[in-house]
Amino acid sequence: AQKITQTQPGMFVQEKEAVTLDCTYDTSDPSYGLFWYKQPSSGEMIFLIYQGSYDQQNATEGRYSLNFQKARKSANLVISASQLGDSAMYFCAMREGPSGGSYIPTFGRGTSLIVHP
Amino acid sequence: ETGVTQSPTHLIKTRGQQVTLRCSSQSGHNTVSWYQQALGQGPQFIFQYYREEENGRGNFPPRFSGLQFPNYSSELNVNALELDDSALYLCASSLVGRGSQETQYFGPGTRLLVL
Repeated sequence: AQKITQTQPGMFVQEKEAVTLDCTYDTSDPSYGLFWYKQPSSGEMIFLIYQGSYDQQNATEGRYSLNFQKARKSANLVISASQLGDSAMYFCAMREGPSGGSYIPTFGRGTSLIVHP
Repeated sequence: ETGVTQSPTHLIKTRGQQVTLRCSSQSGHNTVSWYQQALGQGPQFIFQYYREEENGRGNFPPRFSGLQFPNYSSELNVNALELDDSALYLCASSLVGRGSQETQYFGPGTRLLVL
């Protein structure tokens, strides 16, 4: 079974609007962490936001917020006020096991976001 | 920028050859992970090095090997290259242990083409 599922291969959004990128995960470990990365065409993976399984509040980082619904095992990324520079691939990833140790994150297949003027 | 560098940026090899890719981790980080990203896919974990020892390995054959040096930089070696090895190879550094951070910081990657 897929540990990370990103069901949207591609998304379009108009500049200045908000967009939600979906991510569902599968784990039986009570301790885990969820990440979102952005990968522009240049190839470098850019860390955006992190949510721990025990975190009480949804993570936010500037225009990025993570809609964490633990019971549904979903961790959707919300980008507010989209900018043209947000056009890129977006990857959801999960680390299983307690924080502070080494870990092997599993990545989803990604969602391509295109922001148009 | 993350402070993680990789070399070379691009590489073309032929089947059966060997290749060495290099990664310099971010200052203060003690762990390096390597990933293979085929076109249209998410990164697949190859292995991780922590304090010069292999500390986890994904589903890759033994012809994929690595090293981590005392300065925490790292090499990925691939022997007997196959066409399917053509991919973007990403290196990520992180701090594991006391004061660790959750995040891995990636380098720009090396694009390998095997002909």
